Amino acid sequence: NAGVMQNPRHLVRRRGQEARLRCSPMKGHSHVYWYRQLPEEGLKFMVYLQKENIIDESGMPKERFSAEFPKEGPSILRIQQVVRGDSAAYFCASSPTGVESPFFGPGTRLTVL
Amino acid sequence: AQSVTQLGSHVSVSEGALVLLRCNYSSSVPPYLFWYVQYPNQGLQLLLKYTSAATLVKGINGFEAEFKKSETSFHLTKPSAHMSDAAEYFCAVSEGDNQGGKLIFGQGTELSVKP
Repeated sequence: NAGVMQNPRHLVRRRGQEARLRCSPMKGHSHVYWYRQLPEEGLKFMVYLQKENIIDESGMPKERFSAEFPKEGPSILRIQQVVRGDSAAYFCASSPTGVESPFFGPGTRLTVL
Repeated sequence: AQSVTQLGSHVSVSEGALVLLRCNYSSSVPPYLFWYVQYPNQGLQLLLKYTSAATLVKGINGFEAEFKKSETSFHLTKPSAHMSDAAEYFCAVSEGDNQGGKLIFGQGTELSVKP
């Protein structure tokens, strides 16, 4: 059973471009969480999704950020018009239900030039 | 609101010495508490978790943590450090039964192990 997959592992974007981060949860997991880790900081919750639904987006910045988890395919975290402050590691985690502690993916390290 | 405080952003121990990483939490409800380890450029791996059963929780790699409600603490210990334990350690709390995946993390403690 493969773990949580994230791609790309490293992403470089120039200011103003769009960044798309993908997360494939573990097999059988229908709950996905996105976290952001800024340099020298702990992880901060961004959004919690179930298939086709956003359950909790209380940690998402109000602008430029969006997330989806379609019926088929991976979950996508999309950042429009990236700025240097978006440079961070973005981690996806999944769990089979909303109760168990999640399994984390290896992260996508976004660098904005 | 819940929060987690990890005392000491860097801890250095000698190989074979006791490891003690401190974590204090605040919560208005009985918490679920977690310790995760992060190796360089990797994701987080669950070391152990407390979910209101036994107060002394044993995890992987010889680590354990004790939940002390009176002190609102959940410190992580290992009797004898190994070089491979060098990593970043995060304490986290969840917001309740139906929020298992929504975790609030501490700032992290970087553990160095000297030969």
